[in-house]
Amino acid sequence: ILNVEQSPQSLHVQEGDSTNFTCSFPSSNFYALHWYRWETAKSPEALFVMTLNGDEKKKGRISATLNTKEGYSYLYIKGSQPEDSATYLCAFPAPMDSNYQLIWGAGTKLIIKP
Amino acid sequence: DGGITQSPKYLFRKEGQNVTLSCEQNLNHDAMYWYRQDPGQGLRLIYYSQIVNDFQKGDIAEGYSVSREKKESFPLTVTSAQKNPTAFYLCASSIRGGTEAFFGQGTRLTVV
Repeated sequence: ILNVEQSPQSLHVQEGDSTNFTCSFPSSNFYALHWYRWETAKSPEALFVMTLNGDEKKKGRISATLNTKEGYSYLYIKGSQPEDSATYLCAFPAPMDSNYQLIWGAGTKLIIKP
Repeated sequence: DGGITQSPKYLFRKEGQNVTLSCEQNLNHDAMYWYRQDPGQGLRLIYYSQIVNDFQKGDIAEGYSVSREKKESFPLTVTSAQKNPTAFYLCASSIRGGTEAFFGQGTRLTVV
């Protein structure tokens, strides 16, 4: 059974501080790794889709790195702001029925304290 | 304005009733999915469809049924056989399996 683990489960960060959290995934048969942000009362939205080992993607103050050989990805938020409060999900496409299906982590709930 | 629409946002069901949750997309995506979210847990796959007129069971399909008669539509029926249906349900679509998923706003179902 393929498993995607995220840690920590929740995180309280002071406004202005930087933070990071982890997604662990199976290192064999790697296809891609997705990061999503899920704000309260909204739909989850994709932040990054990462495909290459050593890849680093950036969107404003948020960035992500990828290590496919050891099976982990880090999401970094620099200078946290209240609008960064959300649940951050990662997902790993796994082969299933001659196609791929996303296996989801349980998420990291980030709360920014003003 | 392309997107994925779920309705209703809130739904109350009496014990023993079937209810149907609507999911419509105008993104021209082939793949569509239904997920269930319970507090403290990740998204669990109920059913998915890679193409019109075809769908497959996910990890927790018991007590649910779906249809995919049109590319745009993937309704989910929660039957009376589902023992614990109170949950938040999310519909998603993607160009094909494993690619970036686009989500609806969700339906919160409560059994009363």
